[in-house]
Amino acid sequence: QITLKESGPTLVKPTQTLTLTCSFSGFSLSTSGVGVGWIRQPPGKALEWLALIYWDGNKQYSPSLKSRLTITKDTSKNQVVLRLTNLDPVDTATYYCAHRRISLAGGKDFDYWGQGTLVTVSS
Amino acid sequence: DIQMAQSPSSLSASVGDRVSITCRASQSIFNYVSWYQVKPGKAPKLLIYEASSLQSGVPSRFSGSGSGTDFTLAIISLQPEDFATYYCHQSYSIPYTFGQGTKLEIK
Repeated sequence: QITLKESGPTLVKPTQTLTLTCSFSGFSLSTSGVGVGWIRQPPGKALEWLALIYWDGNKQYSPSLKSRLTITKDTSKNQVVLRLTNLDPVDTATYYCAHRRISLAGGKDFDYWGQGTLVTVSS
Repeated sequence: DIQMAQSPSSLSASVGDRVSITCRASQSIFNYVSWYQVKPGKAPKLLIYEASSLQSGVPSRFSGSGSGTDFTLAIISLQPEDFATYYCHQSYSIPYTFGQGTKLEIK
């Protein structure tokens, strides 16, 4: 059974750096075809993909946020960490991590998600 | 960036109804589309992957269709637990994008 859970601060100040941890179980991030991604949802708005890291260490970032984002993995701890620098109130959102699956046909989707963590950026 | 134009943005329906939600991609994305159900305070749920494949454990009243640029999520015989917000998602090219969402409400 695959589970994921996000953890981190609920309130951060503008210009600070946000560090979120995704702790997961039920799979290994060293297994071929597996990745973990981060997606966020500002209050009342749509989902927005942020970053992905794959079993082979390949990393992908949203171009609009690439200069502010860093994604890393600790395979031994079953954790993925997302860092977002220079926070602004517009970064207020629920942040989700999710298991990325790549099928033999090349299709990619997020088949398991965490419940998300609400992060508020305010002074 | 590939834009996913999702419609309608909101939909009012009754238990037992059939509804459809569409997503139009700004360029061909073959079948690299998935659909998600989102409820407040809960983990989003994958419903459909590769445009038309039903995710394991998802009721068969959900179905997906389409390829290229036009995609549809259909729900037949709506159940009370289906009232939620639905999103399409393209995984063809970076940045991977979502539609703007469709909020399905009880009439």
